[in-house]
Parts: sequence; structure tokens; C-alpha cells
Amino acid sequence: IAGITQAPTSQILAAGRRMTLRCTQDMRHNAMYWYRQDLGLGLRLIHYSNTAGTTGKGEVPDGYSVSRANTDDFPLTLASAVPSQTSVYFCASSDLLCLFFGSGTQLSVL
Amino acid sequence: SQQGEEDPQALSIQEGENATMNCSYKTSINNLQWYRQNSGRGLVHLILIRSNEREKHSGRLRVTLDTSKKSSSLLITASRAADTASYFCATPTGKLIFGQGTTLQVKP
Repeated sequence: IAGITQAPTSQILAAGRRMTLRCTQDMRHNAMYWYRQDLGLGLRLIHYSNTAGTTGKGEVPDGYSVSRANTDDFPLTLASAVPSQTSVYFCASSDLLCLFFGSGTQLSVL
Repeated sequence: SQQGEEDPQALSIQEGENATMNCSYKTSINNLQWYRQNSGRGLVHLILIRSNEREKHSGRLRVTLDTSKKSSSLLITASRAADTASYFCATPTGKLIFGQGTTLQVKP
């Protein structure tokens, strides 16, 4: 693994289903982030974690939860998916100055 | 609300021309960063300018910062078709907040 890995790369999901987007980094960065990107709205921060064991809410946290059990992993869970959560999701980690992004997960909720 | 706002939203130029895009922000900053996003991919960090710097160069990129006007500009000189992408500015306010980006198209 080099950098940040997201999985899956794409997913079609029925509304009401539970889904976890995975994010793993191998750079030992303390800070990690989840963004969603929608046309016309740019990148919006969902949740973040400044260090293992801590998480915080971003701009659009409703309907999402995260956990940070260790430094490397930062999964994002949709407990009961809704169509408005159709988006491209990006995970990122930070070396305190700059962000390093994963390749994204395209999620469609039908 | 977004901390960084890019202008214009879209820009189309011919290969070899220069491209200039602007960013305005709302609060005091320690630094401002520019990122590039190729279609369907994650953002890639281009350049960081600190609040005590007025101009910074990196290859064909030139970034300026005017803290009195709370604005920054990114100039790409001698553009190439491979520069076609969306460009975002971001300012750290505890957590990095992005604007909506400028979509640049460079025609061969």
C-alpha cells in the first residue's frame, strides 16, 4: 500500500441499507478526513479525526458515523442509506499542513 | 459556508496560453493551499503559500497572496492539455475547507 487506499471504488446501494466505506493510509498521519463531492457544491467535510481515538463532526455529518480505532484506518458508515447520500466520497490524511487524498468511492443510493 | 471561493468557475484556453484563477477567503489564515483534481480522481496538492509570503513559484505555477484583500491567485504559464483539471484553494481553519473549484480546459 502506498498512500491512501479507499474501498470499494464504486457501489450501488438500496435505500435503507447499511454501508461502510473503508479508508486505510500507510503514512502514519495523525489526522484523517472524509469529504463528499457533489456537482455545484464542491468538497464538503463530513467527519474528521485529529488522532487515533478521537473524531469530530464536519459540515455535513448527519447520516454518517466514523471510528478511529487505530492510526491507519478511518471507516465511514452510513447506517441507513438515503438517495441524497449519492455522491463521490474522498478520504484524506494530513501531515499537519497538506492533505493527501484517496481515489474516491462513487456511491449511488437507489 | 465555504472558506475558499474560486473564480472563475470555468475557464477555457488554448494550449500555450496562461491561465489565471482566483480565490477569496473569509477569515485570517496561516497559509493557503492550491490543489488540482483530474476528472474522477482525488485532489493532489500543488503548492502552499504562507501568510507572510506574497508570491511563490513552483515550475510553471505562480501563486500570489494578498492578505489585506483576503485573496490569492494561481497562474499557470504556458498551459498544456494535461493541465485540464479542476483547481481548488483551501484554507486551514482547524480542518481544511475547500471552495467549489475552477474547472480549467486547455484545448490542444
